[in-house]
Amino acid sequence: ETGVTQTPRHLVMGMTNKKSLKCEQHLGHNAMYWYKQSAKKPLELMFVYNFKEQTENNSVPSRFSPECPNSSHLFLHLHTLQPEDSALYLCASSQATGTSFPYEQYFGPGTRLTVT
Amino acid sequence: KQEVTQIPAALSVPEGENLVLNCSFTDSAIYNLQWFRQDPGKGLTSLLLIQSSQREQTSGRLNASLDKSSGRSTLYIAASQPGDSATYLCAVQNTGNQFYFGTGTSLTVIP
Repeated sequence: ETGVTQTPRHLVMGMTNKKSLKCEQHLGHNAMYWYKQSAKKPLELMFVYNFKEQTENNSVPSRFSPECPNSSHLFLHLHTLQPEDSALYLCASSQATGTSFPYEQYFGPGTRLTVT
Repeated sequence: KQEVTQIPAALSVPEGENLVLNCSFTDSAIYNLQWFRQDPGKGLTSLLLIQSSQREQTSGRLNASLDKSSGRSTLYIAASQPGDSATYLCAVQNTGNQFYFGTGTSLTVIP
């Protein structure tokens, strides 16, 4: 058990659906991340939140909308997705972000998303 | 943009063998490098984190080295076991909060 949980573990949705992915960390961390892992491609960092404030948005399409109501919870709201958005979506947390100190990232098990 | 490469993409070794996994990166201005393992269908588990000022880190049978100037890191696994079978990923942190991952090395340890 890594201390980072994600729900649901599997999700199948049509292109017109709206769904949300949830991530919760029980480690007392202040930073949370969303990553996308597609087959045969490196993990892609999507969003970073530090103390509930978004610090990074790596040119992610607006059909992905993150929300961080507090330091323990992170959501990824999905709407009008495309089949190429099918992937494993991973959430991670760390004590904080930045480069003043190396903060180790801890990952959840991921949500396997299939867009039909 | 930082590019991280891991070679080989796949590796199969008999149990008990020592092995080395390689990671290279194009921009040497990194703040740290982290090695992870990922089991099929699972998330990532952190193995070792090396700060840019460090040369190596050790944890049990694992030893990771970092040569920042040449843009290379290696993960050494001693006396491999079937339970070590997984995909091993390296990731570097550049300026700000940008993290770049390699595509991983898929390791199979044969009993």
